[in-house]
Amino acid sequence: QVQLVESGGGVVQPGKSLRLSCAASGFTLSSYAMHWVRQAPGKGLEWVTIISYDGTVKYYADSVNGRFTVSRDNSKNTLYLQMNSLRAEDTALYYCAKEVRGNSGAYWGQGTLVSVSS
Amino acid sequence: QLVLTQSPSASASLGASVKLTCTLSSGHSSYAIAWHQQQPEKGPRYLMKVNSDGSHTKGDGIPDRFSGSSSGAERYLTISSLQSEDEADYYCQTWGTGSFWVFGGGTKVTVL
Repeated sequence: QVQLVESGGGVVQPGKSLRLSCAASGFTLSSYAMHWVRQAPGKGLEWVTIISYDGTVKYYADSVNGRFTVSRDNSKNTLYLQMNSLRAEDTALYYCAKEVRGNSGAYWGQGTLVSVSS
Repeated sequence: QLVLTQSPSASASLGASVKLTCTLSSGHSSYAIAWHQQQPEKGPRYLMKVNSDGSHTKGDGIPDRFSGSSSGAERYLTISSLQSEDEADYYCQTWGTGSFWVFGGGTKVTVL
């Protein structure tokens, strides 16, 4: 079965960096675009970034553009999110998600919590 | 601008049906959308993709009582035979240029 497991969250001071990982199993990661989506406490879902199946195309939300970098290592079945210059407003649960393709639906991880506080 | 609009809340009695609406912004009425369910304290779960013609493709293991439909710029999620575990937040989502995701604000469903 498809599994996405995020890790790397934690408490970090403003201006610092953090790297999230998302370990994928149960499907061929190299065939799918992948997303990071975040959810601030008590708020709705906010799309953060997408990376194409081969890592060559990336898009970012305006709120993180220039500070966050998405990457992937298909040989390790892992997706990454490098977060630099973190701000208090980046505090959220971060989810990785598999894109829909044909009859294959989206899947979500359980999330990893990032808290930016001094 | 691509925007999805959802009512903040909906409610229905146990065993009844509820129909949620997601409205696409002007100029985007041909877009497909997806529905995601988020139960309390859990990560989201993909329910289905709904096309502009009303056809829909459900995710793995999604019960038959969840169905999707369309009319113009509106996309619907109908939950029949409402159960207590259906109490959750429901988000619609669509795809922008480059396949980035756009989410609606979510609808909180309460089972009475």
